[in-house]
Formats: sequence, structure tokens, C-alpha cells
Amino acid sequence: QVQLQQSGAELVKPGSSVKISCKASGYTFTSYDMHWIKQQPGNGLEWIGWIYPGNGNTKYNQKFNGKATLTADKSSSTAYMQLSSLTSEDSAVYFCARGTYYDYWGQGVMVTVSS
Amino acid sequence: DIVMTQGVLPNPVPSGESASITCRSSKSLVYKDGKTYLNWFLQRPGQSPQLLTYWMSTRASGVSDRFSGSGSGTYFTLKISRVRAEDAGVYYCQQVREYPRTFGGGTKLELK
Repeated sequence: QVQLQQSGAELVKPGSSVKISCKASGYTFTSYDMHWIKQQPGNGLEWIGWIYPGNGNTKYNQKFNGKATLTADKSSSTAYMQLSSLTSEDSAVYFCARGTYYDYWGQGVMVTVSS
Repeated sequence: DIVMTQGVLPNPVPSGESASITCRSSKSLVYKDGKTYLNWFLQRPGQSPQLLTYWMSTRASGVSDRFSGSGSGTYFTLKISRVRAEDAGVYYCQQVREYPRTFGGGTKLELK
């Protein structure tokens, strides 16, 4: 069955970077986009961008240009998102979701930015 | 960016009754292929969002036929028939017609 297993919670300092992962199983990793979505505490959902692992193509929400970098490792069927120059506004849960229809989601990674 | 605006439900909803959740987009979500590019999701407390419908009215695999999506190019409704305890949570609409993809602010469904 399709599963997206995300990495564990992160506590990071302001100004630093963090890289979170989303390991896919149960389907052909290179055949579906992987999308990333941000959810701040008590807030709604915000689309960050997608990566197509088959060729590495990416598409970003302009709001996250320079903040988020999406990569994928075909050998391990894992998608990554690096967030840089972290501030308190980046404290949130980050989800990965499969494909155009977002039909499968990871469990989410809580990133807390605090000194 | 396309702005998605969701309505508020008169909570709580009695179990067994119907509930209709509304969503409005600032621009038509109909593409030249005739499809309407709107998704509905349910996020139960403490869980990841779950896809309910796509292309406005096509139910995702395994989703109960108690959920039905309808609408026009800019106004959409998700109807939940015979509401049950497991339907409680926050419902989100999302447009996938243009970039950036945008979500509505969410509509909370509480059961009586």
C-alpha cells in the first residue's frame, strides 16, 4: 500500500536551516509529483511547491522562493525539503502529499524555531 | 493568486442530518478541457488531510457516497448526508486550476 513516511520533529534555532524528508513506498516514486504543504498552528494550509522525482523538475509558490528547496533521491524514493534562514514564522507542521490529486499524505513534521 | 473563501457551518450538526459546506473562488476554476479543478479535503483532529473529491465532484477511492461535490465555476458545495461522528473535523477546499495552488481557510464540522 502507498505510504509516505516523514522524518521526526525538529527544534531549530533562528537563522539556521533544516532538512526534512518524506520516504515513499508502495508505488513508483518517479511517476508522481511530490507536493509540500505548510500548516501553522491553528491555521489553514499553504502550498509550498512540488518536485517531479522522475526528472527533478520543481515548481514553487513564489512566496517560498529562497525559503524552501525541494530535492528528491530516486535511489531511496525519498523527497526532501530544506528550509533556510529560519524565523518564528517558519514554525509549523509540514506535510508531503502525492501527485496532482494529493491522494496520499505523510503524517507531517513539526518544525519549531526557537532560541 | 486565486482566493478561496469558505463558509461557516451552524455547529453543532445533529448526527444523521445533512450538512453543506460552501466554497467560493475569486476566479473560475473551469479549464479548457471542461473540468473544474477543485479538491475537497477533510482533516480530522490530529491527522493529516484526506482527499474527499477532485475535479469538483469525483469522489476519491474509498470515500463514502455520503459525500458529494457540486457547483459552478466559482461557487462550490460539499454536501455530507447522514452526518456521522467520524465526519467531524475541518474541511478545506483547494483550487488546482492555477499556480500557486491555494486553499480555503477551512470549515469546522462539529457533531451534536
